[in-house]
Amino acid sequence: GAGVSQTPSNKVTEKGKYVELRCDPISGHTALYWYRQSLGQGPEFLIYFQGTGAADDSGLPNDRFFAVRPEGSVSTLKIQRTERGDSAVYLCASSHGLAGGIAFTDTQYFGPGTRLTVL
Amino acid sequence: GNSVTQMEGPVTLSEEAFLTINCTYTATGYPSLFWYVQYPGEGLQLLLKATKADDKGSNKGFEATYRKETTSFHLEKGSFQVSDSAVYFCALNRDDKIIFGKGTRLHILP
Repeated sequence: GAGVSQTPSNKVTEKGKYVELRCDPISGHTALYWYRQSLGQGPEFLIYFQGTGAADDSGLPNDRFFAVRPEGSVSTLKIQRTERGDSAVYLCASSHGLAGGIAFTDTQYFGPGTRLTVL
Repeated sequence: GNSVTQMEGPVTLSEEAFLTINCTYTATGYPSLFWYVQYPGEGLQLLLKATKADDKGSNKGFEATYRKETTSFHLEKGSFQVSDSAVYFCALNRDDKIIFGKGTRLHILP
């Protein structure tokens, strides 16, 4: 079956520009996560959606970063006024999430990532 | 706070070698523990997991046991293939966030 997909796979932009990164989760997964992986580091949590709402956005580094998931499926991570320090691989993951208050599983399945380069 | 510390690499081994990649964690409560693997040019994949103390996760010849008393989840394997060359991440899940270690790069010589 289809896994988590992310587009674009690579994005090069100039400092100060606006970018959008897209994530398509596994069909039926209600939970969606964004992580950022800098070179030589493990991924770092950014934000978590349960359905359409952001359940935890404590990892977003500042107010230039914003994410939406308007219909509870596809999510877009938006970065305004990009800076060179935003260069990283942005990873999306999904999981079954919660249904009726019972967690099916806490295993997260990751997409291939979007490599963002800010010049 | 919650954190994961793992052995730093890179590590270069022959196919016949035995390896333990050390991983220790700090967390409140009882997190689930994971090893993820990132093969060259591919996304993160779950290798194995354990959800409670003394659970053993295993996959592809790798094993790790959830040791609550030492807050550890060391990854072990007795022999390798060149295709095991990858970056291995120890991780924990707490409050629906995954906290990753920095990763250990493993290179297997034919």
